[in-house]
Amino acid sequence: EVQLSESGGGLVQPGGSLRLSCAASGFTFSSYAMSWVRQAPGEGLECVSAITGSGTSYYADSVKGRFTISRDNSKNTLYLQMNSLRAEDTAAYYCAKHAVTGRSHFDYWGQGTLVTVSS
Amino acid sequence: EIVLTQSPATLSLSPGERATLSCGASQSVSSSNLAWYQQKPGLAPRLLIYDASSRATGIPDRFSGSGSGTDFTLTISRLEPEDFAVYYCQQYGSSPRTFGQGTKVEIK
Repeated sequence: EVQLSESGGGLVQPGGSLRLSCAASGFTFSSYAMSWVRQAPGEGLECVSAITGSGTSYYADSVKGRFTISRDNSKNTLYLQMNSLRAEDTAAYYCAKHAVTGRSHFDYWGQGTLVTVSS
Repeated sequence: EIVLTQSPATLSLSPGERATLSCGASQSVSSSNLAWYQQKPGLAPRLLIYDASSRATGIPDRFSGSGSGTDFTLTISRLEPEDFAVYYCQQYGSSPRTFGQGTKVEIK
């Protein structure tokens, strides 16, 4: 059974940093691209960042230069390092597994971790 | 960036009724790379439909997807109590992947 479990969210001041983790199990982690998707309170979904199994990454313009996605295939874990956080980064952050290589939808999602940026 | 526009924003229906949700794209979606997700309050989205019309594993056949190019539809043939939720479309044919703003299906 595929399981994704995020951790690392919390309350942080503007300008601060946070590192999110997503522990994966139930599939060959290194074979699949992964994404981080966020959802601001009461809002829709936004793809923030993605990374292939081999480590090629993508970032939304809204986080480029501030967020860094990475993965440790030996630990089956996905990360999102978030620096220079802003109030508008407040959201639930979900990790999501890509279903296939290349152009792909997300077939599994974690339960999410809440990030609140506030003074 | 492909902008997806979902309509209506809210759909008020009774259990047993048919729900028709629309998703329009600002540009043609490559290879019908369009998915539908269901989200209930406090939970993560769940994949319903991918490649415009393929049902995900375990999804009841009352859910169906159709469309191509710039116009896509999610149909729920007979609403069950557990189907009242928010539904999002997503295109993954072009980078960046984008989502529609969602359609809320509420109990009338």
